[in-house]
Amino acid sequence: AQSVTQLGSHVSVSEGALVLLRCNYSSSVPPYLFWYVQYPNQGLQLLLKYTSAATLVKGINGFEAEFKKSETSFHLTKPSAHMSDAAEYFCAVSDSGGYQKVTFGTGTKLQVIP
Amino acid sequence: DSGVTQTPKHLITATGQRVTLRCSPRSGDLSVYWYQQSLDQGLQFLIQYYNGEERAKGNILERFSAQQFPDLHSELNLSSLELGDSALYFCASSVFDRGGGYTFGSGTRLTVV
Repeated sequence: AQSVTQLGSHVSVSEGALVLLRCNYSSSVPPYLFWYVQYPNQGLQLLLKYTSAATLVKGINGFEAEFKKSETSFHLTKPSAHMSDAAEYFCAVSDSGGYQKVTFGTGTKLQVIP
Repeated sequence: DSGVTQTPKHLITATGQRVTLRCSPRSGDLSVYWYQQSLDQGLQFLIQYYNGEERAKGNILERFSAQQFPDLHSELNLSSLELGDSALYFCASSVFDRGGGYTFGSGTRLTVV
């Protein structure tokens, strides 16, 4: 079975500060990993995905994530937070064969303080 | 606009009733996924269809059913509704039946009173 654990249901950062959202995964086979963002009253939007190519993945809106197999982690970062980054972020995992559905974490709400 | 269309956006109904949620996938996508999002359960996978066939089942109740039609749109039917079924129901689509990278619709907010 595959799963992801997001550390911290709420994270607050100051505008301009580093954003770090943590995700650890568990998978018995090489995983595909994803980060999605959900703005209020909207559906989820794919930020970035790791599919076994480069371990450092760049996504939209200046976000990036690094796949670390030894740490079973896929943390999301952004060097400088903007007010518009305030949203809920979901880490998700699928198997690399892609036969299984994507399993989502419980989400992390990011608050950006002016 | 993500290209995935869900209707209706909001639905209020009474306990015991039956409703149908509709989803039109992004053009060219063959897979449709249904998810339920609630405060206590988070984002739960319900069911997946690929090109008209059921491909995977998750935590879908027996009172719930779905289908995907030849034009690839999908419907999620919820019957004998209970207060606990109140949630956001999302549809997502993808080109293939594997590999992730879904495109989500904006959801249907169901309120059971």
